[in-house]
Amino acid sequence: GEEVAQTPKHLVRGEGQKAKLYCAPIKGHSYVFWYQQVLKNEFKFLISFQNENVFDETGMPKERFSAKCLPNSPCSLEIQATKLEDSAVYFCASSQYRGLTQPQHFGDGTRLSIL
Amino acid sequence: QQQVKQSPQSLIVQKGGISIINCAYENTAFDYFPWYQQFPGKGPALLIAIRPDVSEKKEGRFTISFNKSAKQFSLHIMDSQPGDSATYFCAARAAQGGSEKLVFGKGTKLTVNP
Repeated sequence: GEEVAQTPKHLVRGEGQKAKLYCAPIKGHSYVFWYQQVLKNEFKFLISFQNENVFDETGMPKERFSAKCLPNSPCSLEIQATKLEDSAVYFCASSQYRGLTQPQHFGDGTRLSIL
Repeated sequence: QQQVKQSPQSLIVQKGGISIINCAYENTAFDYFPWYQQFPGKGPALLIAIRPDVSEKKEGRFTISFNKSAKQFSLHIMDSQPGDSATYFCAARAAQGGSEKLVFGKGTKLTVNP
């Protein structure tokens, strides 16, 4: 499609439960990025993919967070044993190519609420 | 070194006025500086972007001014309209190690009064 599609829009989980978020990048885009936006508007980079390969995972809290981008499937971000501090809006972005001035196009995010 | 500092945190402008948002950075490896506009409940939308070898870029009512020596850049919104009311984020792309990740400022909430 022409837009980055993120599902669900809102996800509510009890502390300790698992949460799984999905992202369908724009068709033809090879790069996918996940960002976390916390309540004070701060964006934190989590992970990026080039097709199905992890490109940069320097922002991922590896103990509980994992992500995948498999062929012919939406990308996913999974959080095991969620904590209250995981409450945030998670944005996925995609870009067509790697390189200078390639814009990242964002989806509308998934709001994760941990109770 | 990976930070982008943005100011002001909030800004109120009258319709027709000029809105100015400023950002500063330390990392000289940043090579691309986009501005995003975000409405409540929506994802950031790319507004305008600049490379550090250009001092100014204008698209319609939106202008980026870039001062490489001072490591500062700013967004000017001319003839501000109520529809421009949104949160604006500056960002910088960290090119070190081939990473394409964006580092964001903390945002400026712009309110344009009719």
